[in-house]
Amino acid sequence: GDSVTQMEGPVTLSEEAFLTINCTYTATGYPSLFWYVQYPGEGLQLLLKATKADDKGSNKGFEATYRKETTSFHLEKGSVQVSDSAVYFCALSSSSGSARQLTFGSGTQLTVLP
Amino acid sequence: KAGVTQTPRYLIKTRGQQVTLSCSPISGHRSVSWYQQTPGQGLQFLFEYFSETQRNKGNFPGRFSGRQFSNSRSEMNVSTLELGDSALYLCASSRTGLGETQYFGPGTRLLVL
Repeated sequence: GDSVTQMEGPVTLSEEAFLTINCTYTATGYPSLFWYVQYPGEGLQLLLKATKADDKGSNKGFEATYRKETTSFHLEKGSVQVSDSAVYFCALSSSSGSARQLTFGSGTQLTVLP
Repeated sequence: KAGVTQTPRYLIKTRGQQVTLSCSPISGHRSVSWYQQTPGQGLQFLFEYFSETQRNKGNFPGRFSGRQFSNSRSEMNVSTLELGDSALYLCASSRTGLGETQYFGPGTRLLVL
């Protein structure tokens, strides 16, 4: 079945540091890939997405590139802020026949210190 | 446009009871999906409803069921509650289904004693 493997957390960085959160996946066919973010006490919000190989999703300074050859979708940001502290989830949506699943990684807790 | 709303936000039940959670999607969204979030298992897909029909289902026992009404509002029911059902239950909506961006509600936190 489909699976998403995320870098183990928690991750603690100083403000303005470079961020990478690794995400690799296993899926049949050509899944769509997503990064969602969850702030404390809230539901998930879409951060960015990519629907085909070599697509780059970007939003709020975050970027991720859909790499089919390495089955990866790593999240990066050049300079993190305290307000980026949250839990980040990598997810994929794939279909098999008429069925579709949305599969999430385990989440990575990011804390940014001033 | 109003976001996804879930009621109630918090619930406390005892083992063996049943519970019904409600989700109102964004206006115009016909797909509603449900997820269970726990510290141990993470985020797991329960099921998706589209136009009042269950279209996709995750790997959960039959105690977990749902339905969708003609106005796209959805309910999720858990019967014969177990301690392990304590979790944050999230619903999400989208226009056409799981292949596109999901818009999540704030969740219902269920505690089973």
